[in-house]
Amino acid sequence: NAGVTQTPKFRILKIGQSMTLQCTQDMNHNYMYWYRQDPGMGLKLIYYSVGAGITDKGEVPNGYNVSRSTTEDFPLRLELAAPSQTSVYFCASSPSLAGPGGELFFGEGSRLTVL
Amino acid sequence: AQSVAQPEDQVNVAEGNPLTVKCTYSVSGNPYLFWYVQYPNRGLQFLLKYITGDNLVKGSYGFEAEFNKSQTSFHLKKPSALVSDSALYFCAVRDMKYGGATNKLIFGTGTLLAVQP
Repeated sequence: NAGVTQTPKFRILKIGQSMTLQCTQDMNHNYMYWYRQDPGMGLKLIYYSVGAGITDKGEVPNGYNVSRSTTEDFPLRLELAAPSQTSVYFCASSPSLAGPGGELFFGEGSRLTVL
Repeated sequence: AQSVAQPEDQVNVAEGNPLTVKCTYSVSGNPYLFWYVQYPNRGLQFLLKYITGDNLVKGSYGFEAEFNKSQTSFHLKKPSALVSDSALYFCAVRDMKYGGATNKLIFGTGTLLAVQP
């Protein structure tokens, strides 16, 4: 049972380069999220999606883009990488029941360094 | 504004002693509260949640949390700490914009728990 899978686990980028962080889940969850984690700052929501074809901005969306063409996949694209995007990125998913359930399931993270 | 506060960056406790990791929240309406644990170089793992009902919630690995509405707190507790409990702990509250329907979570800044042998 794979859960939420993120690739790559580590990546070093040069300023101005672009890349895509991949995220896939096999739990048939409708909701998916991208968070970034910075020391002492907790986790901040970048983008989220409540289903295929539907995405919305979170708290810190600038410099990022997402797409959701299938239920399983939710890639995060970084355009024109900047040192401020050095962070650990977490993808998460959740079942769409927003009542008693609804906890998030996280991937193992992708550590990105921009030099 | 909705928020979560974890007032302690680090909590130190001796193995076998009880531990408490503090969390307070600010949200409109009834809160949905969560605790997650993160081990080094790993993703976040769900520990427990409060949705409604009994104020004392039991979760994984012997952890429990007490919901206190009057103090707007949701402290994480364990009667006897283990060295293996050493990790980063995050408190979170469901974002109640759109009635909480998106399941988005607002996280605290995290508390590092260090259990000494």
